[in-house]
Amino acid sequence: GENVEQHPSTLSVQEGDSAVIKCTYSDSASNYFPWYKQELGKGPQLIIDIRSNVGEKKDQRIAVTLNKTAKHFSLHITETQPEDSAVYFCAASPHGSSNTGKLIFGQGTTLQVKP
Amino acid sequence: GAGVSQTPSNKVTEKGKYVELRCDPISGHTALYWYRQSLGQGPEFLIYFQGTGAADDSGLPNDRFFAVRPEGSVSTLKIQRTERGDSAVYLCASSLIGRDTEAFFGQGTRLTVV
Repeated sequence: GENVEQHPSTLSVQEGDSAVIKCTYSDSASNYFPWYKQELGKGPQLIIDIRSNVGEKKDQRIAVTLNKTAKHFSLHITETQPEDSAVYFCAASPHGSSNTGKLIFGQGTTLQVKP
Repeated sequence: GAGVSQTPSNKVTEKGKYVELRCDPISGHTALYWYRQSLGQGPEFLIYFQGTGAADDSGLPNDRFFAVRPEGSVSTLKIQRTERGDSAVYLCASSLIGRDTEAFFGQGTRLTVV
């Protein structure tokens, strides 16, 4: 089955710096890769997603890149702010499913943005 | 409702007891998912409903776990003979069916088995 590895497990940056989180996946048939932000005591919230027919997607300070050949994808946050501090999860939809809610998640990255 | 609602938000039960966790999805969302999140880990898929039927229950860990969605809206996750290892946050998500859709998560139910 699909396996998703996420690195680093913790990341500390100064306010205004960039943060990069990387994930690899094992199932070449996966075609949907969302990123979720989870704050303490809350459920995961989708912040950006990418499908396998594109290589990069950007939404204001957040961007995601996908390399299907290497089976890895990354989250880039620029001009970080203290409110970006949270746990971030990458995920992959296994077996090319059109069902975008069945996801295999990475282990999570705790991002701390220091003011 | 405005979002996915899960009740209770916290549940403490004794080992061996039976528990039910409830999920109210976003109105109109045909797809509903249950996940389990252990401390410091990512959510793990348990079961997926499309309408009233369980389309994929491959993530249920054993036969102590069961879920229903009798009218295609509210879902209940049922755990029999709870064990301490069942302690986790149980998350529910819902979505429309189709390719360009997004799964919305509830805030979760924190289950503690003592």
